[in-house]
Amino acid sequence: SQTIHQWPATLVQPVGSPLSLECTVEGTSNPNLYWYRQAAGRGLQLLFYSVGIGQISSEVPQNLSASRPQDRQFILSSKKLLLSDSGFYLCAWSVSLGADTQYFGPGTRLTVL
Amino acid sequence: GESVGLHLPTLSVQEGDNSIINCAYSNSASDYFIWYKQESGKGPQFIIDIRSNMDKRQGQRVTVLLNKTVKHLSLQIAATQPGDSAVYFCAVLSGGSYIPTFGRGTSLIVHP
Repeated sequence: SQTIHQWPATLVQPVGSPLSLECTVEGTSNPNLYWYRQAAGRGLQLLFYSVGIGQISSEVPQNLSASRPQDRQFILSSKKLLLSDSGFYLCAWSVSLGADTQYFGPGTRLTVL
Repeated sequence: GESVGLHLPTLSVQEGDNSIINCAYSNSASDYFIWYKQESGKGPQFIIDIRSNMDKRQGQRVTVLLNKTVKHLSLQIAATQPGDSAVYFCAVLSGGSYIPTFGRGTSLIVHP
């Protein structure tokens, strides 16, 4: 069966510090991968998605970036965090891009102070 | 584009009652619908899905109903249990789009 992992589970970082969140998927090949942010009381905001190694599409311009160095690894990064970057970050995967279920990871709670 | 709304941000029920959570969508070309359950501090968990060629689909204690005429989607939970307490939200995919639109969620509170 497929599983998706995210780490760290929680993170507290000062403003201006760098960020690296990691997501890995097991049990499937060539998954589509997604990064979402969920702010308190709000819906899911898609940040990036990837259909393959090295292929990244950005949905929302901001100081975050994503990379996919391996087939089942998706990384969310920032060079300098802002207070507004605080939130719950979710990684998800799907078999196909389109009318297909997205399965979510456990999430990373990021607090920027 | 698609917009997905919710009828109630919070729903309180007694243990053993049936719960109904609703979603409304705007795009008549929407063809795939998913319900997720999200417990506090955790990632969303897939519950059930339905495609536009169906009106109803049943799972274990859950039923999803799709009314394409009024663009309405509902999730019914039978014999609600305290463990069902969570935020439930729908996701809608429209033909030609590959990114779902998510509703904001209904917080289901089950009282023992």
